[in-house]
Amino acid sequence: AQSVTQPDIHITVSEGASLELRCNYSYGATPYLFWYVQSPGQGLQLLLKYFSGDTLVQGIKGFEAEFKRSQSSFNLRKPSVHWSDAAEYFCAVGALDTGGFKTIFGAGTRLFVKA
Amino acid sequence: NAGVTQTPKFQVLKTGQSMTLQCAQDMNHEYMSWYRQDPGMGLRLIHYSVGAGITDQGEVPNGYNVSRSTTEDFPLRLLSAAPSQTSVYFCASSSRVHTDTQYFGPGTRLTVL
Repeated sequence: AQSVTQPDIHITVSEGASLELRCNYSYGATPYLFWYVQSPGQGLQLLLKYFSGDTLVQGIKGFEAEFKRSQSSFNLRKPSVHWSDAAEYFCAVGALDTGGFKTIFGAGTRLFVKA
Repeated sequence: NAGVTQTPKFQVLKTGQSMTLQCAQDMNHEYMSWYRQDPGMGLRLIHYSVGAGITDQGEVPNGYNVSRSTTEDFPLRLLSAAPSQTSVYFCASSSRVHTDTQYFGPGTRLTVL
């Protein structure tokens, strides 16, 4: 069965420091990969997505992610974190299942930003 | 465009009560879904619809019903609320099946006593 693992429940970084959030997936074929962000009390917003082509994907708010097939990973990065980036981040996989095409979400990583 | 709207924002129910969570979108999206979000578990798919008149079960459908009589609306019904259904519920829509970006509503926080 398809699954998504985000190994870090929470991460704390200093403002201005670089960020990497990890995501590993389990799926037999090439998946459709997404990163969403959820600010407190809000719904989810798409940061970026990968379907095919260049494995380095640029998203909104200065985020990027790299698809590595050999490692089954799709890690999210940002070179310099701003205080407004504090939120919860979800990695997701779109995959074919017995009931059709579904999106499977990871458990999320909460990002804290310290001054 | 209002995007995806959900009502109510908050709701408290007693065990055994029924209620309907409303979801509407004005983007003419064919695909709509309901998720529940619980701490440490991410989002889990309850039910989804690929178009008016077509619905299917997701990962955690028990205790919930859906219908899709129009493209715009996708209500979620709790038939007999249980404390295990205490959660935050999100509705989402996309123009195509899950390969496309999903647009999420602001959520409904439900507490079942």
